[in-house]
Amino acid sequence: GAGVSQTPSNKVTEKGKYVELRCDPISGHTALYWYRQSLGQGPEFLIYFQGTGAADDSGLPNDRFFAVRPEGSVSTLKIQRTERGDSAVYLCASSLIPGSTDTQYFGPGTRLTVL
Amino acid sequence: GQQLNQSPQSMFIQEGEDVSMNCTSSSIFNTWLWYKQDPGEGPVLLIALYKAGELTSNGRLTAQFGITRKDSFLNISASIPSDVGIYFCAGPQNSGGSNYKLTFGKGTLLTVNP
Repeated sequence: GAGVSQTPSNKVTEKGKYVELRCDPISGHTALYWYRQSLGQGPEFLIYFQGTGAADDSGLPNDRFFAVRPEGSVSTLKIQRTERGDSAVYLCASSLIPGSTDTQYFGPGTRLTVL
Repeated sequence: GQQLNQSPQSMFIQEGEDVSMNCTSSSIFNTWLWYKQDPGEGPVLLIALYKAGELTSNGRLTAQFGITRKDSFLNISASIPSDVGIYFCAGPQNSGGSNYKLTFGKGTLLTVNP
């Protein structure tokens, strides 16, 4: 079956611009997660959705970052006024059971480059 | 917050050799996860460990959950070229019911020379 998909696979933008990154989770998965992976590092947690609501957004670095999941399926990570330090791979994951250690399945990520 | 330290940072081995890598933490983890990440892909779960002392195998991979709950190791036997990639240990945070929030190590980069 289809795994987690993310679009675009690569995004190059200029400092100060607005970007949107999309995640399509595995069908039927109610839990959705966003992570950020900088070069040479492991993924770092950003935000967790349980259904439509953001149950934990404690990993978002600042208020330029925002994510939505209006219908409990597709999610969009939005970054305003991008900075060069935002350059990283943004990974999305989903799991069947929210709020547990149920296996998180990761998408291929979106590589964001801010010039 | 909880941190995971992986060693070695990188390994370069010959095909057919066995590999061992480990992960340590200053705090206790109740679950240990080992993921592999190929270039341009997201991490894929290899093995999950849920009990101190547990030894679990998945094909040529074997992982153990340390007795102190502060460490874990992953062994790969008879390595093959497709084992190339970055191996991450990870564990869910234990505080405040945030067991969905995974902490990852920095990874071990494995290169296998055919």
